[in-house]
Amino acid sequence: GESVGLHLPTLSVQEGDNSIINCAYSNSASDYFIWYKQESGKGPQFIIDIRSNMDKRQGQRVTVLLNKTVKHLSLQIAATQPGDSAVYFCAENIRTGGFKTIFGAGTRLFVKA
Amino acid sequence: KAGVTQTPRYLIKTRGQQVTLSCSPISGHRSVSWYQQTPGQGLQFLFEYFSETQRNKGNFPGRFSGRQFSNSRSEMNVSTLELGDSALYLCASSLDRPLQETQYFGPGTRLLVL
Repeated sequence: GESVGLHLPTLSVQEGDNSIINCAYSNSASDYFIWYKQESGKGPQFIIDIRSNMDKRQGQRVTVLLNKTVKHLSLQIAATQPGDSAVYFCAENIRTGGFKTIFGAGTRLFVKA
Repeated sequence: KAGVTQTPRYLIKTRGQQVTLSCSPISGHRSVSWYQQTPGQGLQFLFEYFSETQRNKGNFPGRFSGRQFSNSRSEMNVSTLELGDSALYLCASSLDRPLQETQYFGPGTRLLVL
């Protein structure tokens, strides 16, 4: 079936350290992957995306890696800050006429000061 | 440019009632998707609309329905509410053009069914 899952439900890191959040997906037909950040009381906020013809993409303090061989996606946050504390979701877009987005379970990131 | 807006933000209903939630997408976005978010099930896809047509539907019962208007605004309706329908309902909009398919989310409507 179609699923996007996360290896770790909770991640605690020290302020200033790098964070790595992992995700496994199962739908080989997906060609577009997204990471979202959700803070309490808010809707998911777009962080970074990557297409299946790429294996790495960098943004400001964030990097997404895609390994299609093992169907694995990761989000790296450099120099993690307290404001990074949130739930992070990976998601994949599946084209079926229109599209639908399948979300992973989410990982809660705690940043210790 | 204004973001995705959803109304109402909070709603309390009782079992058996029905509810209508509204979503206004980002200006120019023609694709609108709806999601249900609960602690136990996470974010689950409900349906997606584009140019007033439902293009995709998730695995929800027929009590959940939606529509999209010519100005791309969308509504979703839940009839005969059940306790398990208590959730955060999120709307997201997208340009849905090649290489421009990122979805942007609204703040959600929190529904409590008593």
